This record gives sequence, C-alpha cells and structure tokens, in this order.
Amino acid sequence: NAGVMQNPRHLVRRRGQEARLRCSPVKGHSHVYWYRQLPEEGLKFMVYLQKENIIDESGMPKERFSAEFPKEGPSILRIQQVVRGDSAAYFCASSPPGTGSYEKLFFGSGTQLSVL
Amino acid sequence: GESVGLHLPTLSVQEGDNSIINCAYSNSASDYFIWYKQESGKGPQFIIDIRSNMDKRQGQRVTVLLNKTVKHLSLQIAATQPGDSAVYFCAEIPKGGKLIFGQGTELSVKP
Repeated sequence: NAGVMQNPRHLVRRRGQEARLRCSPVKGHSHVYWYRQLPEEGLKFMVYLQKENIIDESGMPKERFSAEFPKEGPSILRIQQVVRGDSAAYFCASSPPGTGSYEKLFFGSGTQLSVL
Repeated sequence: GESVGLHLPTLSVQEGDNSIINCAYSNSASDYFIWYKQESGKGPQFIIDIRSNMDKRQGQRVTVLLNKTVKHLSLQIAATQPGDSAVYFCAEIPKGGKLIFGQGTELSVKP
C-alpha cells in the first residue's frame, strides 16, 4: 500500500544553498500538488502539476522556487539560495486521473526543511 | 465540546464525549468541502467530504454538517478517543478553483 512518498524526511541547509525535495505520487496518480506549512498554520498551495506540465503555479514565489514533474521519476520542488524564511514543512499530494482538480488528494508525510 | 474554529483553535474533550469542530469558510462559490486530520509529524489525512448540494453527510463516527446560508461547516466526532487527538483542518474548493485550507483546530482528548 504505497502512498505518496516524500524524501528526504528532514533536510537541513545553510543560507544560500539549494534544497531539492522529492515526491513520488501514489502509483497510477497523474496529478501532483505541493503545499507549504508554517508552524501552527494551515497548508498553503504552491503548485499543481501533471506529467511534464505545470497546471497552476499561482502559489509559487516568483523567484528561487521551481517545480517539475517529469515523464519518468518523481516530482521535484527546488529552492535555490535558501533563506531562513523558507524553513517550513513541504507537503506533496497526488490525486488519481478522472477526479476533479484538487479533489481526493492523498498527502505524503512531508519534508521538514530547516535553514540555518 | 465545541470550538469556533478561528477564534478557539484548541479544543479539549474527555474521552468518550462527542466533539464538534467548527469552521467558517470564506467563499460562497465553494461547492466542495473536506475535513482533514493531521497528526504530529504527518501529512493531512482525508476524513470526510461533502458537496454543496448536501447539508449533512455521515461516516464512521464522524458527521459533517454544511450550512451554506452562514458559510459554516462543522465536524462532529462521536465517542471521541485518544487516537482522535490531532489538528483538524477544513478545506474548501471554489468552483474551478483550488483547494484552500482553513487555519485548523487542535483537538486534545483527555483519558
């Protein structure tokens, strides 16, 4: 019963370094979503991708952040030149084909990014 | 025990009691609503959903009530157990829009 797999579970970076967060969706799911959660806050939408396409990136910061979901392999959320304010839990979710966008999301356990 | 969502983010109940977690949603155009449970160190887990053409839906030990007139959503948990302790988020999807999470309510169950 492989759900959404995220790695690493914890990631520590120094200011200015790059962070790469990986997400493997549930087998057969073709939609991937990334959300960010600050302590004691709700999840904030970042980006919605389908295979090789960015569908909605309205929640992504304009600079330093990028996401991809290649034909083969996991989805990657990349943060360049990290700053302390990037410290947060980053959650990936996937949904099966045939469901409405953003419905029936299955979430991974998240990557906790800490920027020193 | 009962919370009022944004104004009372913490709810403490006795094991065996019923819990009511409330949520005021923002968009009158939202037509799909979901409750998620998030345990410490884990991702949100789907509990129950409801569409705007319904006002009540029941699951196993959980019931969601939707009042579109006042844009209010509630989650009722019957016979609350220690394993129910978590943060509960309501979420809405406006028609053609994206999933938007509310602030969350922390439920603490006392044995």
